[in-house]
Amino acid sequence: GEDVEQSLFLSVREGDSSVINCTYTDSSSTYLYWYKQEPGAGLQLLTYIFSNMDMKQDQRLTVLLNKKDKHLSLRIADTQTGDSAIYFCAETRYSTLTFGKGTMLLVSP
Amino acid sequence: DAGVTQSPTHLIKTRGQHVTLRCSPISGHKSVSWYQQVLGQGPQFIFQYYEKEERGRGNFPDRFSARQFPNYSSELNVNALLLGDSALYLCASSTGTGETEAFFGQGTRLTVV
Repeated sequence: GEDVEQSLFLSVREGDSSVINCTYTDSSSTYLYWYKQEPGAGLQLLTYIFSNMDMKQDQRLTVLLNKKDKHLSLRIADTQTGDSAIYFCAETRYSTLTFGKGTMLLVSP
Repeated sequence: DAGVTQSPTHLIKTRGQHVTLRCSPISGHKSVSWYQQVLGQGPQFIFQYYEKEERGRGNFPDRFSARQFPNYSSELNVNALLLGDSALYLCASSTGTGETEAFFGQGTRLTVV
């Protein structure tokens, strides 16, 4: 397909780990990104991974990349209520970003 | 350091009117891109500018235009507004046109009535 696809909704309890999945389309994408969007706000760059990497860890965030399956995931350890937001994965295509529709993460106390 | 700044933050326009949205990139960034985010969707690419030249254009009608100034700030113009143009318009700033980190502003919420 032509779209970057994400599951639309994820609900977890505070303290649990969250895993948000994404499939992308362009095998030539050099970078893959995760952005966070809180209600009424712009996009906050969380992390990105270079395509020659399998994994990148940044504090509570772990990004896993499976190039063969064009699958990207974002794991948030010890999820907090402040992590509740919409998370977008994005691939670069012709030097522009192509986004998925976003995964709404709801963290309950 | 100031991040990407956009103005205005909110705007209400009537169908058929024209609108100009403004963006100032992060200091030292020479590339500005514009995205449209309709409610419930991911952002869609509209334009990319680098060194005052258009480097990319998304699938948007000619009613949409943009430009970049010598100080690297940018304007997005939309003519003959339609109800469907109601969206959050996001500006992204990066150092170049390659696949580098893009930082977004808070956006301009445009409502067309």
